Amino acid sequence: DAMVIQNPRYQVTQFGKPVTLSCSQTLNHNVMYWYQQKSSQAPKLLFHYYDKDFNNEADTPDNFQSRRPNTSFCFLDIRSPGLGDAAMYLCATSRPQGAGNEQFFGPGTRLTVL
Amino acid sequence: KQEVTQIPAALSVPEGENLVLNCSFTDSAIYNLQWFRQDPGKGLTSLLLIQSSQREQTSGRLNASLDKSSGRSTLYIAASQPGDSATYLCAVPPMDTGRRALTFGSGTRLQVQP
Repeated sequence: DAMVIQNPRYQVTQFGKPVTLSCSQTLNHNVMYWYQQKSSQAPKLLFHYYDKDFNNEADTPDNFQSRRPNTSFCFLDIRSPGLGDAAMYLCATSRPQGAGNEQFFGPGTRLTVL
Repeated sequence: KQEVTQIPAALSVPEGENLVLNCSFTDSAIYNLQWFRQDPGKGLTSLLLIQSSQREQTSGRLNASLDKSSGRSTLYIAASQPGDSATYLCAVPPMDTGRRALTFGSGTRLQVQP
């Protein structure tokens, strides 16, 4: 089945210790997104890739970076995690035509910062 | 700026009941509207996507309607089951093709009692 896969599902890191979350997709979609979702809140877009073009949301902290080495994979790097970065991180994909295409989400990675 | 509201915030019903979840949006100029399901600690599962030209969309026991002029969508769940217990989110994409962040409602947390 075509899908969006995230690894790991649960990640524990220490305050200030860099961490990388990964996302892969078999849908062959051009657009990949990273959302942050804190407890009882709606998901918030951090950035997205349209093919290799990186698009950062204006209020995404510099602490968050992303890499997309190929169509299938996308990584979220948190350079120096703080306690406030503990959240669920959701990867999503969509086809490129227009802004209104259906987004397909992965199962998420829950990040705990000690 | 688009704002999406979901009412009620929480709902508890006995098994077998038909129920309606509400979603309203302030800017009626939308491409489409997407309904998601989120189980506790999990990612988002896309349930239905209604294009702006459609008035309703059905999948199994789920039926979503869209009234753009009044800025409303409803998700109807027939013959509810305990397995339907989850948080249901609606979301709309931006009309600005330079942006891609979905605007989410805050969700309705549904509990179906056996």
